[in-house]
Amino acid sequence: QVQLQESGPGLVKPSETLSLTCTVSGGSIRSSSYYWGWIRQPPGKGLEWIGNIYYSGSTYYSPSLMSRVTISVDTSTNQFSLRLSSVTAADTAVYYCARLARTGGYHIDYWGQGTLVTVSS
Amino acid sequence: QTVVTQEPSFSVSPGGTVTLTCGLSSGSVSTSYYPSWYQQTPGQTPRTLIYSTNTRSSGVPDRFSGSILGNKAALTITGAQADDESDYYCVLYMGSGISVFGGGTKLTVL
Repeated sequence: QVQLQESGPGLVKPSETLSLTCTVSGGSIRSSSYYWGWIRQPPGKGLEWIGNIYYSGSTYYSPSLMSRVTISVDTSTNQFSLRLSSVTAADTAVYYCARLARTGGYHIDYWGQGTLVTVSS
Repeated sequence: QTVVTQEPSFSVSPGGTVTLTCGLSSGSVSTSYYPSWYQQTPGQTPRTLIYSTNTRSSGVPDRFSGSILGNKAALTITGAQADDESDYYCVLYMGSGISVFGGGTKLTVL
């Protein structure tokens, strides 16, 4: 059973960089069948796609966040990471990592539990 | 920028049938967008219901079904139950590794 677990600071100051890591267990991140992605949900609002990464390092970002987002992968530790720069209160959200299946239709088949990140001084 | 549209809210009576839709601000949704649907109850992680237009995820009851209706993707719930009261999100795959969420539909069962 594949599991994904987010980790990182729950509080980030405005203008600083938010950094989160997703640890994948029960399966290899080095699979050609999947993307690995980040999704967020501000309190009381809808889900927003942030971006995906392929195990080779190819990245795909939401146009609205592209200028501030970096997603990276470390196949040796079976982890991938999110960095979001110059954060404001609008970046306060629950951040989910997820596995996106590339075969049988592009869709999320596994979600992390999510981690709340609050942007505040 | 592409906007994926969903009804903000919908209500259905217990035992009734409801169809939620997922459209594009410009253009038509087809199977090429691999529409998928996710259910989320407050405070919970989303659950994958439907992918590739009409394939049910493992463990999803067959009263949930997906289709293309006209120029939109659709999620139909037949025989609605109280615990179907949730937020429902569609996702469209835009190609080149990019996916976009709709704004979500809040479904009330009453």
